[in-house]
Amino acid sequence: GQQVMQIPQYQHVQEGEDFTTYCNSSTTLSNIQWYKQRPGGHPVFLIQLVKSGEVKKQKRLTFQFGEAKKNSSLHITATQTTDVGTYFCAGSGIYNNAGNMLTFGGGTRLMVKP
Amino acid sequence: GAGVSQTPSNKVTEKGKYVELRCDPISGHTALYWYRQSLGQGPEFLIYFQGTGAADDSGLPNDRFFAVRPEGSVSTLKIQRTERGDSAVYLCASSLRLGGRATTGELFFGEGSRLTVL
Repeated sequence: GQQVMQIPQYQHVQEGEDFTTYCNSSTTLSNIQWYKQRPGGHPVFLIQLVKSGEVKKQKRLTFQFGEAKKNSSLHITATQTTDVGTYFCAGSGIYNNAGNMLTFGGGTRLMVKP
Repeated sequence: GAGVSQTPSNKVTEKGKYVELRCDPISGHTALYWYRQSLGQGPEFLIYFQGTGAADDSGLPNDRFFAVRPEGSVSTLKIQRTERGDSAVYLCASSLRLGGRATTGELFFGEGSRLTVL
């Protein structure tokens, strides 16, 4: 079955440093979504990428979808303490039943030291 | 309500007991998902409903797990003969988008039901 892997599992940064998390799928994806989960909270949608090579920006966050639609990355510039949480990618495969089952990666837990 | 509502928020039960977890999705959302999240891991897909029918139940771990959505709105996840390994946070999410191969709609998650099996 489809597998989605994320690295690193954990990342400690000093406030103001940049942060990147990488997501890789074992199969080609139709689209990929990114979610953020604060400690004790539930996943909250950040963005969806659909097109090969797509790049989207949200303020200090930059999301990228690979040309082969099998990998993605999230880059945060100049991290702040409010960025603390776990970032998950979630992919929807081309051949899934009904096309809407999202497979989540294991997440990257970001800790920011003030 | 404004968001996805899940009850109970916490459930402690003994091994072998039967448990029901309820999810009330955002009004008008036709797609409903159940995920399970263990500590330090990503959400694990269990089942997906499109309207009243289970469009994909491939994630249910075994026949002790069953979910229904009889009127296309509220859903109940049922776990029989609970085991300690069932302990996790059970997340429900709903989506406005209908099923399709092109894109998947944004999932709106509830706060989850934390199940502890002693």
